[in-house]
Amino acid sequence: EVQLVESGGGLVQPGRSLRLSCTASGFTFGDYAMSWFRQAPGKGLEWVGFIRSKAYGGTTEYAASVKGRFTISRDDSKSIAYLQMNSLKTEDTAVYYCTRDHSWGQGTLVTVSS
Amino acid sequence: DVVMTQSPLSLPVTLGQPASISCRSSQSLVYSDGNTYLNWFQQRPGQSPRRLIYKVSNRDSGVPDRFSGSGSGTDFTLKISRVEAEDVGVYYCMQGTHWPWTFGQGTKVEIK
Repeated sequence: EVQLVESGGGLVQPGRSLRLSCTASGFTFGDYAMSWFRQAPGKGLEWVGFIRSKAYGGTTEYAASVKGRFTISRDDSKSIAYLQMNSLKTEDTAVYYCTRDHSWGQGTLVTVSS
Repeated sequence: DVVMTQSPLSLPVTLGQPASISCRSSQSLVYSDGNTYLNWFQQRPGQSPRRLIYKVSNRDSGVPDRFSGSGSGTDFTLKISRVEAEDVGVYYCMQGTHWPWTFGQGTKVEIK
């Protein structure tokens, strides 16, 4: 069974950094692309970014709202995907989800506030 | 960016009756490989989203067959043949053909 567990969320001040982790199990992590999505409180879903598998170069794509501030990476030996978030803004406050195809984690809440 | 427009945004339905949600894209979602990357997601209250349909009409594993997706090009539909109480929630379409991936605004399904 595919399981995805996000961690690393919390309260952070504007301008600071935070790194989220997505720990995967139940499948061969290195064979799959991974995505990050987010949902601000009471709002709809927003795609954040995507990382291809190493077989496809391990390259990344990002939403314009986070490009240049957020970086997605992966450690296939640990079955973990990361979302490094720098220069955080109040509008980055959201529940962040990692996904693989149809599988979603439970999400981790990031609150950016002074 | 591709704009995804859903309608209606609110859908009160009677248990056992059908329901239909429309999703239109601002440009064709046919990719160069011939596939159309249009997905539908369900988000029940207090839960993580769940993908129901991928590539327009393919149901994910475990999704009841009362859910069906159809459409082509820029015009897509999610249908629930007979609404059950567990179908209450918000439904989103999402295109994965063009970067950045974009969602519709969401349609809230509730029981009358």
